[in-house]
Amino acid sequence: QVQLQESGPGLVKPSQTLSLTCTVSRGSISSGDFSWSWIRQHPGKGLEWIGYIYYTGSTYYNPSLKSRVTISVDSSKNQFSLKLRSVTTADTAVYYCAKVGGLTFGEFHFDIWGQGIMVTVSS
Amino acid sequence: QSVLTQPPSVSGAPGQRVTISCTGSISNIGAGFDVHWYQHLPGTAPKLLIFGNTNRPSGVPDRFSGSKSGTSASLAITGLQPEDEADYYCQSYDSSLSPVVFGGGTKLTVL
Repeated sequence: QVQLQESGPGLVKPSQTLSLTCTVSRGSISSGDFSWSWIRQHPGKGLEWIGYIYYTGSTYYNPSLKSRVTISVDSSKNQFSLKLRSVTTADTAVYYCAKVGGLTFGEFHFDIWGQGIMVTVSS
Repeated sequence: QSVLTQPPSVSGAPGQRVTISCTGSISNIGAGFDVHWYQHLPGTAPKLLIFGNTNRPSGVPDRFSGSKSGTSASLAITGLQPEDEADYYCQSYDSSLSPVVFGGGTKLTVL
């Protein structure tokens, strides 16, 4: 089945842009009506949804992060990416990419997850 | 403060049955939107346990089951095993806040 792997810098300076990539293997990112998502977990805290990109290309973001987030797909590389602008120490977290299961928003869940990547925001 | 409320912790002895509750509102669980459950061991990828309220993905033991009623949902684990010790999260859709909402997570301790 599909596997996901996050990659990117583990350290980002405050005010800069956090950029992460999720590589999809054992499957094509553009096959089927799949949607893709990013989720994070602050140290010692619960899961926080960041956003997802629908198979149509439409994007939906957590309202609390919407002004700083962009999720995009690069089909030629079988990857999707996350950009989070103007980061602060509050963005320090483990970032997970995930495949979205379900057909409608009300059914959406995350059926395949990457291992996660720890990103620290610090000067 | 999470939109979906879970108990911070539950515990049980090997072989016992435990349940984890997930309480929402009329804009999420109570509106009929599906509830999903994840198992998360620190340092690993979260694992989907239950989707669509009651459905188990292939490979998930039938010791895990989900239910939903009104504005709440529950995850039940029977025949508790030491490897079940993990954090458990519920997730749903909310029509007024965010398309995806998670519970705060419940730490299961196997005594």
